[in-house]
Amino acid sequence: EDKVVQSPLSLVVHEGDTVTLNCSYEVTNFRSLLWYKQEKKAPTFLFMLTSSGIEKKSGRLSSILDKKELFSILNITATQTGDSAVYLCAVDASGTYKYIFGTGTRLKVLA
Amino acid sequence: DVKVTQSSRYLVKRTGEKVFLECVQDMDHENMFWYRQDPGLGLRLIYFSYDVKMKEKGDIPEGYSVSREKKERFSLILESASTNQTSMYLCASSLSMTAAHGYTFGSGTRLTVV
Repeated sequence: EDKVVQSPLSLVVHEGDTVTLNCSYEVTNFRSLLWYKQEKKAPTFLFMLTSSGIEKKSGRLSSILDKKELFSILNITATQTGDSAVYLCAVDASGTYKYIFGTGTRLKVLA
Repeated sequence: DVKVTQSSRYLVKRTGEKVFLECVQDMDHENMFWYRQDPGLGLRLIYFSYDVKMKEKGDIPEGYSVSREKKERFSLILESASTNQTSMYLCASSLSMTAAHGYTFGSGTRLTVV
């Protein structure tokens, strides 16, 4: 059975800290992995990763995929209170854009 | 910007009622999806649709049905609402072959069944 596991489930840090969120997967026919940020409502897209070892970067956020070890990490440097959210990882395992989601990591950044 | 609009932000319904959740997207996307989101369980796929009048069961279709009569609209129907269907419902859409950004989500409908 295809599955996506995120860790930790929740995390509390102080502003300025660096955090690393993990997403591991066991799926057949891997096609892509996505990261989303969900605040109070709709998840918003962060990154799509398809190739191993290539870092995607946007400001203080970055992500990388390891297709050999079947995981991805999302790094956030110099965290701010606005980074407080649930971070979701999703994997397209069938090539049909039907994604399997992890349970998410809830990040709280304290001022 | 692609927009996915869900008709209600909050709904409270009684057990046994028939409930309609509406979702409309404005970017001519082929694929539309309904997920429910529960604490500790993440997002679980209920139904999805690749085209008008086409539908496929997801992982948890029991107690739900869907309708896609027009490309832009995908409706989720709870035939007889039960308390275990209290949840956040998220609609999403994506392009058929070039979903470079994965899904675009609606803002969600928080449904409470009493």
